[in-house]
Amino acid sequence: DVKVTQSSRYLVKRTGEKVFLECVQDMDHENMFWYRQDPGLGLRLIYFSYDVKMKEKGDIPEGYSVSREKKERFSLILESASTNQTSMYLCASSLRRMTGLSYEQYFGPGTRLTVT
Amino acid sequence: DQQVKQNSPSLSVQEGRISILNCDYTNSMFDYFLWYKKYPAEGPTFLISISSIKDKNEDGRFTVFLNKSAKHLSLHIVPSQPGDSAVYFCAASAGTGNQFYFGTGTSLTVIP
Repeated sequence: DVKVTQSSRYLVKRTGEKVFLECVQDMDHENMFWYRQDPGLGLRLIYFSYDVKMKEKGDIPEGYSVSREKKERFSLILESASTNQTSMYLCASSLRRMTGLSYEQYFGPGTRLTVT
Repeated sequence: DQQVKQNSPSLSVQEGRISILNCDYTNSMFDYFLWYKKYPAEGPTFLISISSIKDKNEDGRFTVFLNKSAKHLSLHIVPSQPGDSAVYFCAASAGTGNQFYFGTGTSLTVIP
């Protein structure tokens, strides 16, 4: 049974705090992703990683950084949390897509982050 | 710029009837499309996919149709059940690119 886990379901932080969101997958997937979900805006990609120590900016990377030191773990870091980063954060993983084959993303349960 | 669009934020359907959720895309390089279902406070779960070499894919009560010339896909749920009430996202990817582009979601309510 495939599994993506996220370190917290709910998190409350203060403005200016450094926040770490952790994601672990047990499927040996090459790709890992961080999204945020906001009402009316759908899922927006923050960063993704296609290999250990590799990362690519998504659509909204500002205010975030990521770390992937091990294949199974992908961390999202909010260097200095702000109220506009209050959101649902979703981690996902997938196999690397190869020509002629396609793979879906598997999502974790999400972390509801509130910054006050 | 949104490359995948779901123009209907919400949809209500009577139980037993057909639900049709629509999705439009702008990038002609997209060749793989997926639908995800999301319940509140849970992560999205994969529902069904379709490759651009097909125009239809069916899985039980769920059928996805792809119209490449119109850059449009739709998800049909027949018959709709109350447990289908959720937010549905369509997503697309291109070539060997590993990024998926998601729509903004359509909230489906199936009325018993």
